[in-house]
Amino acid sequence: AQKITQTQPGMFVQEKEAVTLDCTYDTSDPSYGLFWYKQPSSGEMIFLIYQGSYDQQNATEGRYSLNFQKARKSANLVISASQLGDSAMYFCAMLHNFNKFYFGSGTKLNVKP
Amino acid sequence: DAGVIQSPRHEVTEMGQEVTLRCKPISGHNSLFWYRQTMMRGLELLIYFNNNVPIDDSGMPEDRFSAKMPNASFSTLKIQPSEPRDSAVYFCATGRSNQPQHFGDGTRLSIL
Repeated sequence: AQKITQTQPGMFVQEKEAVTLDCTYDTSDPSYGLFWYKQPSSGEMIFLIYQGSYDQQNATEGRYSLNFQKARKSANLVISASQLGDSAMYFCAMLHNFNKFYFGSGTKLNVKP
Repeated sequence: DAGVIQSPRHEVTEMGQEVTLRCKPISGHNSLFWYRQTMMRGLELLIYFNNNVPIDDSGMPEDRFSAKMPNASFSTLKIQPSEPRDSAVYFCATGRSNQPQHFGDGTRLSIL
């Protein structure tokens, strides 16, 4: 069963604008974690932001914020003030049962100058 | 702190040869994951270990693939015999329970 769904294979955004990358998840476990990773063209996987299922507030890390809507089972990534260096693949992931990670299929973000 | 270290970074070999990929986790991390990434299938979890014990190897594609973690500081992923369809980027990632995974730089494997 699909655990993580990213419905946007590709996105374009103008430099300096904000962009939202969608992620929905499926679990019946009350305890889980949600993560976003960035994979630039160089190939490495870079951890961006984490949200725990019991966290009351949305996570923020610099220009990244996670719009966590528990009832809708969504964990969208918001990037504010996009930069050219933000062009990359972005993966949403869920930690389940404290050890197993599920990754979405990714969204390719292109930032236009 | 040193991150997850994978070797080799690149490997090109002929089909039928044995391939061994290596991973050194971040010190103190008790979980280790092997992933395979291809354009067609995206990021696939092959196997993961917790405290050096294999927990779930359901993602290992077939018997040609095997993974070991003899101690907390070393893991190997072996393919024997290798086939062209095994060509992919193989990532090792490590973490502590309930914490984000940290990825190595990956091994780009090409089987001719």
